Amino acid sequence: QITLKESGPTLVKPTQTLTLTCTFSGFSLDTNGVGVGWIRQPPGRALEWLALIYWDDEDRRSPSLTSRLTITKDTSKNQVVLIMTNMDPVDTATYYCVQINGDSYFSNWGLGTLVTVSS
Amino acid sequence: DVQLTQSPSTLSASVGDRVTITCRASQSISTWLAWYQLKPGKAPKLLIYEAASLESGVPSRFSGSGSGTEFALTISSLQPDDFATYYCQQYNDYWTFGQGTKVEIK
Repeated sequence: QITLKESGPTLVKPTQTLTLTCTFSGFSLDTNGVGVGWIRQPPGRALEWLALIYWDDEDRRSPSLTSRLTITKDTSKNQVVLIMTNMDPVDTATYYCVQINGDSYFSNWGLGTLVTVSS
Repeated sequence: DVQLTQSPSTLSASVGDRVTITCRASQSISTWLAWYQLKPGKAPKLLIYEAASLESGVPSRFSGSGSGTEFALTISSLQPDDFATYYCQQYNDYWTFGQGTKVEIK
């Protein structure tokens, strides 16, 4: 059974840096083609893909947010970390961790974690 | 950027109804389209991939169709568990989502 779980702060202040951790089980991030990434959903709005990291360390980031995003993995811990700098209230959203195989669809999702940006 | 436009944004229906949600892409994406179901407090669920392939474990009342720029998700007989929000997503060029369709009880 594949599971993904997001963890991190629920509240950050404007201009601060957000660090989110995805801890997963049921698959390995050193398997050919496998990737783990992040998607967010602001309240009442649509889903937005943010970033992905693959088994071979290749990473993809949303062109509109690339300068603010860093994604890393620790295969031994089954974890992926997303770092987003210079947080703003518009970044308030539920952040989801997802699993992908190749450049395709998101097979499995975590429950999500709500992050609020407010002073 | 590939833009996806879903319609309707809200759909009111009754148990047993046949419902169809459409998704239009701003450029051809072949069949590189997936559909997801979102419910509050639950992990989002993949329903359909490659436009028409049913994900394992998903009830057969769900079906997908289309190619190029026009796609549809159909629920043949709406069940109580199906009241949720549905999103299409393309993976032809990066990954983008439609704005969602909320299926609510009539």
